[in-house]
Amino acid sequence: DIQMTQTPSSMPASLGERVTISCRASQGISNYLNWYQQKPDGTIKPLIYYTSNLQSGVPSRFSGSGSGTDYSLTISSLEPEDFAMYYCQQYDSSPWTFGGGTKLELK
Amino acid sequence: QVTLKESGPGMLQPSKTLSLTCSFSGFSLSTSGMVVSWIRQPSGKSLEWLAAIDWDGDKYYNPSLKSRLTVSKDTSNTQVFLKITSVDTADTATYYCARLTTEGIVSYYFDYWGQGVMVTVSS
Repeated sequence: DIQMTQTPSSMPASLGERVTISCRASQGISNYLNWYQQKPDGTIKPLIYYTSNLQSGVPSRFSGSGSGTDYSLTISSLEPEDFAMYYCQQYDSSPWTFGGGTKLELK
Repeated sequence: QVTLKESGPGMLQPSKTLSLTCSFSGFSLSTSGMVVSWIRQPSGKSLEWLAAIDWDGDKYYNPSLKSRLTVSKDTSNTQVFLKITSVDTADTATYYCARLTTEGIVSYYFDYWGQGVMVTVSS
């Protein structure tokens, strides 16, 4: 299985701050990488698909980049609703696997 | 409007079979390209993809759990089921169903998720 390692596991940040979450795959995944947001009530929604494509309805402050084994999610200016858990997910090979998650917390 | 909702027993004893139902609306699993997956999340932990079934009835399983999993769908193509045999405490988790969508030939992602159903395995 491809292991997905997210860093950091938690990140205190302030409103308006720019933050970047990293995701490293145990082998190259050819940009087959998605990002999801999970709110405290458990609701999960997609943010970015295929490394850098913004899901419809997601604010443009979210962006994704990367290649090979290293990928990142950037939020350009944090809004109150962005404090949540974030997960990366690879679909290069089965079984599809998720990163361990990054908890974005209000500083 | 696409919605999915999971249902399950809430609690069951070790060694029993867990049966889960995903009821959805806003799309039909008979439509070419449609796929519904099951994903679970133990409390405080990450997500684990379990299984999927597509519009053609093809089934896909996480190899680590394949021997215990069975995914199926109903004939009306509005429900998907998951059975997990011989459960133990490690199967305690919130179980989600999600629709997989495709954009072109390179993009596959879960675009709609249910709210999740919590399952506790305990004697």
